[in-house]
Amino acid sequence: GQNIDQPTEMTATEGAIVQINCTYQTSGFNGLFWYQQHAGEAPTFLSYNVLDGLEEKGRFSSFLSRSKGYSYLLLKELQMKDSASYLCAVSPMNTGFQKLVFGTGTRLLVSP
Amino acid sequence: DSGVTQTPKHLITATGQRVTLRCSPRSGDLSVYWYQQSLDQGLQFLIQYYNGEERAKGNILERFSAQQFPDLHSELNLSSLELGDSALYFCASSRTELNTEAFFGQGTRLTVV
Repeated sequence: GQNIDQPTEMTATEGAIVQINCTYQTSGFNGLFWYQQHAGEAPTFLSYNVLDGLEEKGRFSSFLSRSKGYSYLLLKELQMKDSASYLCAVSPMNTGFQKLVFGTGTRLLVSP
Repeated sequence: DSGVTQTPKHLITATGQRVTLRCSPRSGDLSVYWYQQSLDQGLQFLIQYYNGEERAKGNILERFSAQQFPDLHSELNLSSLELGDSALYFCASSRTELNTEAFFGQGTRLTVV
C-alpha cells in the first residue's frame, strides 16, 4: 500500500521561500503529484514528477527522489494568496494516472 | 473555472436516504473520477470511468455506485446514507487516462443529518 506523510501545518511570511516536504512508502508508483487547495474549493494541479530531479514552474518547483521516498514543493516569493493546503499524491503502479492516493495535506499560512 | 460542473453544490438529507450527485466533465474529456473528502480522511479516490466504462475502483462502499453516460456526464449514487457519509464529493476529468493533469469541479457538499 501507500503511506504518505506531510506536515500538518506551516507558516511563512510574504516574500519568503517555503519548502513543503512529502515522504511516502509505496511499492511502486507512476509519478508524484502536487495539488493546491484553497479552503472549501477544488484542488488545482500544480506539478507532476516522474523522474528524479527538480521541475520548475514559475514560483513553484517540485523535487522528487525515488530512492529516498521523498518529494518537496518549493514556493518562492510567497504571496498572501498562496495561503492554502498543499496536497501530495502518488499514482500507484499499474493503475491509471489519476487513481491518486493523497496525503492529508499541509496547510500553509502566509502572513504579511 | 476548471470547466467541470458539479450539481448540486450543497445537499442536506437524512440518514437512510439516497442521493444522486451529477458531474459534467470538461468538453472533450473522456475520463471522469470521483473523490470523497472528509475532515478526518483527506481526499480519497472512489471510482474512475473512461468513455462510459468503469476503469478503476478505490475505497468505494457497496452502498455507493456510479455510472458514466453516453454524453460523458457521470452520476454518483449514494444510498442508505449514514452520518459518516457527510463530506465534500469532488468530480475530476481528464482528456484521456494518460493525462497527468486532472481538472476538479467545485464539489458537492453533502450533509447527512
